[in-house]
Amino acid sequence: SQQGEEDPQALSIQEGENATMNCSYKTSINNLQWYRQNSGRGLVHLILIRSNEREKHSGRLRVTLDTSKKSSSLLITASRAADTASYFCATDPSNDYKLSFGAGTTVTVRA
Amino acid sequence: SAVISQKPSRDICQRGTSLTIQCQVDSQVTMMFWYRQQPGQSLTLIATANQGSEATYESGFVIDKFPISRPNLTFSTLTVSNMSPEDSSIYLCSVAGLAVTGELFFGEGSRLTVL
Repeated sequence: SQQGEEDPQALSIQEGENATMNCSYKTSINNLQWYRQNSGRGLVHLILIRSNEREKHSGRLRVTLDTSKKSSSLLITASRAADTASYFCATDPSNDYKLSFGAGTTVTVRA
Repeated sequence: SAVISQKPSRDICQRGTSLTIQCQVDSQVTMMFWYRQQPGQSLTLIATANQGSEATYESGFVIDKFPISRPNLTFSTLTVSNMSPEDSSIYLCSVAGLAVTGELFFGEGSRLTVL
C-alpha cells in the first residue's frame, strides 16, 4: 500500500524558476528517497536522505526531512525544460528494500 | 548501478490472453522486484522475485494471476495471465542491493494495453 502522499499533484513553472514538492508519510522510516520518472518510463533515483539527516543537497536538488512531522520536501532550483517529469517520494517502512511510493507530483517546466 | 533490460517495452494484448515480461540485469543481484503502475497512478509492489524459490506476493496479488520466475541472479519473468482491460499498466522490474544505500534501480518498464 502507498505510504506517502504528495502535493501538489501537478506543478507548472517557467524555466529558471524553482519547483517545490512535498511528501508526507505515515510510519517511522530509516530513509526517504526521491525518484524521477520521465513520460511513463523507468524511475531514476535522485537522492536519499536518512532519518538522522535534516537536509541534503545534490546539484540543483535540495531535500529536507522532518521526522517529527513525517514529511519531506524536494526543491529543484533553476529549473530546466529537461526537469519536466513526475517525481515520487518513497519510503522503506520495513527496511527490506520494498519501497512504498507516494502518489507523485507531475512537474511541467515551460520554456 | 546496473543496466536493466525489459522486454517487451510495450504491447497491445487481447482480453483473456497472457503475456510474459522479461527482465535481464547485467550483473548478479540478490533482490529483484516487480511493480505495477496503473495509468496516472503511482507504483505498487506486486512481488519479490526469489531466486530458486517461489515469489513473495504482496497483498492483493496472487501467483495464479502474476506467476513469476527467477531461475538465476540476473533474470526474472513476470506473466500477466488471463488479461482484462484493468491490467493495462506499466510493469516495472527493479533491483536492489547494488549500492551501499537503499536505492532501487529500475528497468524502462513494459507498457501493456489490454483491449
